[in-house]
Amino acid sequence: DTAVSQTPKYLVTQMGNDKSIKCEQNLGHDTMYWYKQDSKKFLKIMFSYNNKELIINETVPNRFSPKSPDKAHLNLHINSLELGDSAVYFCASSQNTGGGYTFGSGTRLTVV
Amino acid sequence: AQKITQTQPGMFVQEKEAVTLDCTYDTSDPSYGLFWYKQPSSGEMIFLIYQGSYDQQNATEGRYSLNFQKARKSANLVISASQLGDSAMYFCAMREGHSGGSNYKLTFGKGTLLTVNP
Repeated sequence: DTAVSQTPKYLVTQMGNDKSIKCEQNLGHDTMYWYKQDSKKFLKIMFSYNNKELIINETVPNRFSPKSPDKAHLNLHINSLELGDSAVYFCASSQNTGGGYTFGSGTRLTVV
Repeated sequence: AQKITQTQPGMFVQEKEAVTLDCTYDTSDPSYGLFWYKQPSSGEMIFLIYQGSYDQQNATEGRYSLNFQKARKSANLVISASQLGDSAMYFCAMREGHSGGSNYKLTFGKGTLLTVNP
C-alpha cells in the first residue's frame, strides 16, 4: 500500500495548457509539501500545507495553485504552462511531532 | 549563503569499499535535523538516515552511518561495503527548528552522484 502516491507519473503537455497533479498520503501525517526538482537535480520547496492550511509559499509564480481538500490530499494546479515549468514535482508528507519526510515517486512534467 | 553544501558533484568507489559523502550545513538554530536521501536513476527519493542536533551518538542504519561533527557543522554519510545498487544521487538535507510544528521544510544540498564500479 503506497504511503504517498502521486498521479500522473508522467505528464507531457503543450505550452499554455492548464494541468493538475494529485497527491494523497495514507500515513496520517499532518503536513504535506510540494517540491520541484529542476534539470540539475536541485530540490526546492514550493508549498507546504498543515491540516489544509497553507503554511509555506516560496516565491512560486501564482500560476501554481495548491489545493488541499483534506489533510490527506494536496493537489497542484498549474495554469498557462511554460517551458520552464518542465521538471519533476515531488509531493511529500511529514508528522508535526517529528520524524522523517516521506516522498511520493514524483511526476515528470514536460512542457513542449 | 547556502544552508547545505555538498562539495562533491560526483564520486567513484570500488565495489565492497567504503565511501564518505560530504555535507556541511549552516544554521543558527540550536535545534535541527539532518537527513540523507538516495535517489536512484528510477527517480524516487529514499530516506536513508537521520541525525538530530541533540543526539549524542552518530546515527547508524545498516551499512549507512552518519559522521556528525557538530562543531564543524558537518554531517557526512558513510556507506560501508559499497554495492552496485548504491549507485545513485545522494542528497543531504536539513530541517531547522523543533521537531514539532508545521512549517519545517527540508532544505536540500545539490547532491552527489555516486558511481560504484565492479
